[in-house]
Amino acid sequence: QSALTQPASVSGSPGQSITISCTGTTSDIGAFYYVSWYQQQLGKAPRLILYDVTNRPSGVSDRFSGSRSGSTASLTISGLQTEDEADYYCCSYTSSSTFVFGPGTKVTVL
Amino acid sequence: QVQLQESGPGLVKPSETLSLTCAVSGGSISDSFWSWVRQPPGKGLEWIANIHYKGDTYYNPSLEGRVAISLDTSKSECSLKLGSVTAADTAVYFCVRLNRYGGGWSVFDYWGQGTLVTVSS
Repeated sequence: QSALTQPASVSGSPGQSITISCTGTTSDIGAFYYVSWYQQQLGKAPRLILYDVTNRPSGVSDRFSGSRSGSTASLTISGLQTEDEADYYCCSYTSSSTFVFGPGTKVTVL
Repeated sequence: QVQLQESGPGLVKPSETLSLTCAVSGGSISDSFWSWVRQPPGKGLEWIANIHYKGDTYYNPSLEGRVAISLDTSKSECSLKLGSVTAADTAVYFCVRLNRYGGGWSVFDYWGQGTLVTVSS
């Protein structure tokens, strides 16, 4: 199965907004609304922050939002805070009934 | 609150079989799919497999033939076996619940802390 693509790193100053892209194909992101995003802080397990492209689980800040256009999904973090420094992974369901993760994006707060 | 706890040998020899168990507590093992995801040191996440209590299983094509996932509903445990391991299988292995939040089974919502398995002679 093909991997998703994400930028290796994104940075921003406190209070700014940043966007992380996640590009797939017509067999995964382009075919299903089942894109999720995970935040992983150093040494910890990943944590779900968005599911089904745009939905936030209970307890996740509304500073996190998602969208999709064609085969590219995006995660936007608004009002960037130092606690947002982490690795972020996108994940998509595929037409083979499997799942594929992106390589991860390291977010740095300057 | 669902809790997942992985266990198993931290060191496996090349060509042998890696065996891990995940103890599920705080929720019914019959309510969801259960998954394994791994992360090599310093690298990204890789989905390995899913299983539903009714027996449906799905595997990463890159591992199919070497991997098997199973459930023991009487013990509320999910297990993973990966055969013919090499150094490339060295990773932190996470047990994860795959849930449905309205649409399809698409949400990895609860993760174990992970267990590091090193493949080395």
